[in-house]
Amino acid sequence: SQQGEEDPQALSIQEGENATMNCSYKTSINNLQWYRQNSGRGLVHLILIRSNEREKHSGRLRVTLDTSKKSSSLLITASRAADTASYFCATTGSYQKVTFGIGTKLQVIP
Amino acid sequence: GAGVSQSPSNKVTEKGKDVELRCDPISGHTALYWYRQSLGQGLEFLIYFQGNSAPDKSGLPSDRFSAERTGGSVSTLTIQRTQQEDSAVYLCASSLGLGSYEQYFGPGTRLTVT
Repeated sequence: SQQGEEDPQALSIQEGENATMNCSYKTSINNLQWYRQNSGRGLVHLILIRSNEREKHSGRLRVTLDTSKKSSSLLITASRAADTASYFCATTGSYQKVTFGIGTKLQVIP
Repeated sequence: GAGVSQSPSNKVTEKGKDVELRCDPISGHTALYWYRQSLGQGLEFLIYFQGNSAPDKSGLPSDRFSAERTGGSVSTLTIQRTQQEDSAVYLCASSLGLGSYEQYFGPGTRLTVT
């Protein structure tokens, strides 16, 4: 299976609820990033966490990284309808190759 | 400043024709990446450049695909003898450098091969 697999593949929540998405990977990494994509076009960078970090916060976003389990989670708190998008994790490994997962489609219902 | 731009935004071509996709990265960004995204799928890494050099071309799907970057700026992705399975959105991204830098994505080129 591919590097950077997100789960769930689809998530539907009510506005105001928290959304948690997970990402698993297989090989060692230098860093892991989360991106958001609206309407199937360009991606927007959300947050980067380095391999020696365990947790980072940015506004309503909280990212954790567990290198022993080769997994990361993205938590969006107090979700808004505007958070509806696809979310991808991307790992950077050897030779600077960046590998994206297949993404989680998040729907926030107003 | 201006973000990453790509042209054309949409391209419809007949099977067997060659196409050229262009990416203008953010000024000063030394790293440039090409990805392909099929409908409803994740991003497939194609190739990256550090300056004008592409150290790893193993992500290119076939020898019909080639890419170049000149002057450490504009990059072109060329697909020769297009096939229907080449239909996808081709995304370009640039970053200040390789490794732990965020990538800034362009809006993509939607390629349709009929």
